[in-house]
Amino acid sequence: DGGITQSPKYLFRKEGQNVTLSCEQNLNHDAMYWYRQDPGQGLRLIYYSQIVNDFQKGDIAEGYSVSREKKESFPLTVTSAQKNPTAFYLCASSTRGHLYNEQFFGPGTRLTVL
Amino acid sequence: AQSVTQLGSHVSVSEGALVLLRCNYSSSVPPYLFWYVQYPNQGLQLLLKYTSAATLVKGINGFEAEFKKSETSFHLTKPSAHMSDAAEYFCAVSDRKIQGAQKLVFGQGTRLTINP
Repeated sequence: DGGITQSPKYLFRKEGQNVTLSCEQNLNHDAMYWYRQDPGQGLRLIYYSQIVNDFQKGDIAEGYSVSREKKESFPLTVTSAQKNPTAFYLCASSTRGHLYNEQFFGPGTRLTVL
Repeated sequence: AQSVTQLGSHVSVSEGALVLLRCNYSSSVPPYLFWYVQYPNQGLQLLLKYTSAATLVKGINGFEAEFKKSETSFHLTKPSAHMSDAAEYFCAVSDRKIQGAQKLVFGQGTRLTINP
């Protein structure tokens, strides 16, 4: 089955620690995205990538970093500089070329700072 | 910049009743609009999308939405609610293409509760 996997499902972090969230897709999509979801705020774009070895900041990139070394993988690192990292993180992917293309979402990772 | 407003953060209906979830958009160009559904602790799933081919769009699970340019609206409806429809629903507009990628702007979400 084609799809997007995210791991871990739940992640706990101590203050001052960096943590990395995994996102893998086997849909052969070029574009990948990271969103943060907070209650009552919808989804906000953190980073996106349209092609391997290229990525761009979204609306709330401060305190986060990404890499795109392989087409199928787009890991997100939440750094200690992120002041309020507790949230639900969603990874998505899509084909390129049209604004009406569907984005496919992974099941999410819930990050809690202790 | 394009934006989306969902009226009502919580909607509650009885099983078998009409479901109406409201979405208004702001866009300076003809928009591409989407409705996604999210079940608890899961990712988002596309319900339907408007791509200008037809103003009435039918989606999965019996949902449909009508694009009304004059009202800048894209409300989601379902004639008869089922218990399995309980979820959070997000309206989104496709913003400009960013170097080949697509930027979705999401509304705040509407949590739908179904009463037995």
